[in-house]
Amino acid sequence: AQTVTQSQPEMSVQEAETVTLSCTYDTSESDYYLFWYKQPPSRQMILVIRQEAYKQQNATENRFSVNFQKAAKSFSLKISDSQLGDAAMYFCAYPGGGRDDKIIFGKGTRLHILP
Amino acid sequence: AAGVIQSPRHLIKEKRETATLKCYPIPRHDTVYWYQQGPGQDPQFLISFYEKMQSDKGSIPDRFSAQQFSDYHSELNMSSLELGDSALYFCASSRTVRNYGYTFGSGTRLTVV
Repeated sequence: AQTVTQSQPEMSVQEAETVTLSCTYDTSESDYYLFWYKQPPSRQMILVIRQEAYKQQNATENRFSVNFQKAAKSFSLKISDSQLGDAAMYFCAYPGGGRDDKIIFGKGTRLHILP
Repeated sequence: AAGVIQSPRHLIKEKRETATLKCYPIPRHDTVYWYQQGPGQDPQFLISFYEKMQSDKGSIPDRFSAQQFSDYHSELNMSSLELGDSALYFCASSRTVRNYGYTFGSGTRLTVV
């Protein structure tokens, strides 16, 4: 079965510092995509960043970047210069296959930003 | 840019009542997914539709049904509501090109009292 594992239920980081959220996944496919979603208190699900598995270069979106280790099936999210607005639940997600590639989510990491 | 529209945003129902949730996907998106997210939980896949046909089914109770209409909007019908059905219900849409990503609506918060 396809799985996504986030081993850190909660994390805290000082404002302006850098934090890394971990994610591992399991798949037998060679070509796939990985996502990080942010869910703030409003509970809107917002796409933060997307990685294509066939690309060796790590994806970057402004202060957000990933460390993608395909062989290790690891997909961590780094947030630089953390801001108060980054406080949210972060979900690592993977299109879990099947006919329509429905997204499978990890359990999430709640990120607290300390002023 | 157009987003995924869900209605209503909030819904309060009594036990044993029926609820209907609606989802309007982004234009030209051909796949719709429904998820249920309980308090403090990760979203759980319920059901999906591709080109108006049911595509995949997850942990959806038999009391729930869904369909996708000719205009691609989808409705999730929930009958004999139970207190445990209280949750945030997300709809997401995508195109079949896998790298396009998935766009989520703002969700419908259902409270069963």
